[in-house]
Amino acid sequence: AQRVTQPEKLLSVFKGAPVELKCNYSYSGSPELFWYVQYSRQRLQLLLRHISRESIKGFTADLNKGETSFHLKKPFAQEEDSAMYYCALLSGGYNKLIFGAGTRLAVHP
Amino acid sequence: NAGVTQTPKFQVLKTGQSMTLQCAQDMNHEYMSWYRQDPGMGLRLIHYSVGAGITDQGEVPNGYNVSRSTTEDFPLRLLSAAPSQTSVYFCASSLAGGRSYNEQFFGPGTRLTVL
Repeated sequence: AQRVTQPEKLLSVFKGAPVELKCNYSYSGSPELFWYVQYSRQRLQLLLRHISRESIKGFTADLNKGETSFHLKKPFAQEEDSAMYYCALLSGGYNKLIFGAGTRLAVHP
Repeated sequence: NAGVTQTPKFQVLKTGQSMTLQCAQDMNHEYMSWYRQDPGMGLRLIHYSVGAGITDQGEVPNGYNVSRSTTEDFPLRLLSAAPSQTSVYFCASSLAGGRSYNEQFFGPGTRLTVL
């Protein structure tokens, strides 16, 4: 079965600390994975996708097929990173996404 | 561009009532979809459409109907609301999918409570 697991509901860190939001997936085939973010009172928006291999707002995510993981990392958290983060898996064609349950990141001053 | 718009923002229904959640986009996107967001479950796909006149079921379609008569609009209908449909509903649109993913743009959401 295709599934995305985000084991942490809440991740609380202090400003300047490293951040790692965990994401594991189950998918037979070559997966395409994404991180979406929802800031307070804003719309859900795409943060990054694994095929782009880019860094957005200091965040990076590497696809590890051996561990079936796509963890989101940032070396130094900022208060403005506080948001809800969703890992998502492309399920077949037509842009259908399977989302994880989400992790709320709280960055304290 | 307004992007993806949804109305209403909030709605309270009684069990058994019907209503339509509206979604519109002005980006000429072929693909539109409806998700529901529940605590601890993330977003789940309800229905989607790849173009006017073409719709299909997602992961959790029961209790919901959709139609797509124009490229711009993709309404979601609840024929007989149930408390289990209490949720936040998001509409999204994008250029057509296919073998590669096109970024989906989400609306602001509709918070629905069924008593």
